[in-house]
Amino acid sequence: QKEVEQDPGPLSVPEGAIVSLNCTYSNSAFQYFMWYRQYSRKGPELLMYTYSSGNKEDGRFTAQVDKSSKYISLFIRDSQPSDSATYLCAMQNTGTASKLTFGTGTRLQVTL
Amino acid sequence: KAGVTQTPRYLIKTRGQQVTLSCSPISGHRSVSWYQQTPGQGLQFLFEYFSETQRNKGNFPGRFSGRQFSNSRSEMNVSTLELGDSALYLCASSLATHTDTQYFGPGTRLTVL
Repeated sequence: QKEVEQDPGPLSVPEGAIVSLNCTYSNSAFQYFMWYRQYSRKGPELLMYTYSSGNKEDGRFTAQVDKSSKYISLFIRDSQPSDSATYLCAMQNTGTASKLTFGTGTRLQVTL
Repeated sequence: KAGVTQTPRYLIKTRGQQVTLSCSPISGHRSVSWYQQTPGQGLQFLFEYFSETQRNKGNFPGRFSGRQFSNSRSEMNVSTLELGDSALYLCASSLATHTDTQYFGPGTRLTVL
């Protein structure tokens, strides 16, 4: 069983929809939670970074972490065609330096 | 400020050969991490270098190795290539501590025939 599980999709939504992306994890030592976006033929870029449980909002993006359920989410409001990409959740614990453990990614397609 | 650069961007090799990939981190960044990305396994951590020392290592065989130079540039080497080594190899750099944001390069696409 993978440490981080993520639904691979693909997920197709119309422009303007609210998108919900999720990951579950099994390692209770994870303290830092991230969401990366990866466009085709590009490296991942950091969208959101959260420490421990709680919510964080940045523009149209909201990240939620529920450590008690080992569940994290990314919400995208008013989705745009430019949001079409693969979204990767990533996690890190304090004992393993810069090692990030990633989900396999969810491919999102926002249609006109 | 220039981003993380990786060379070459594309590479085709045959089984049994070896390959060296290069990564130049963002200026001032001292930590460089390497990841392998495949459709089946996703992104998997290979190793991390900080101040020319390997600070952390993932679960890959010894055929995968790396090093970091005094200017923080890093190389990774894969010896005795196998078909399953075909992947996108990504390099990420960060300032220093484990909580610093990691910035990824565009990757090197390796195809093993």
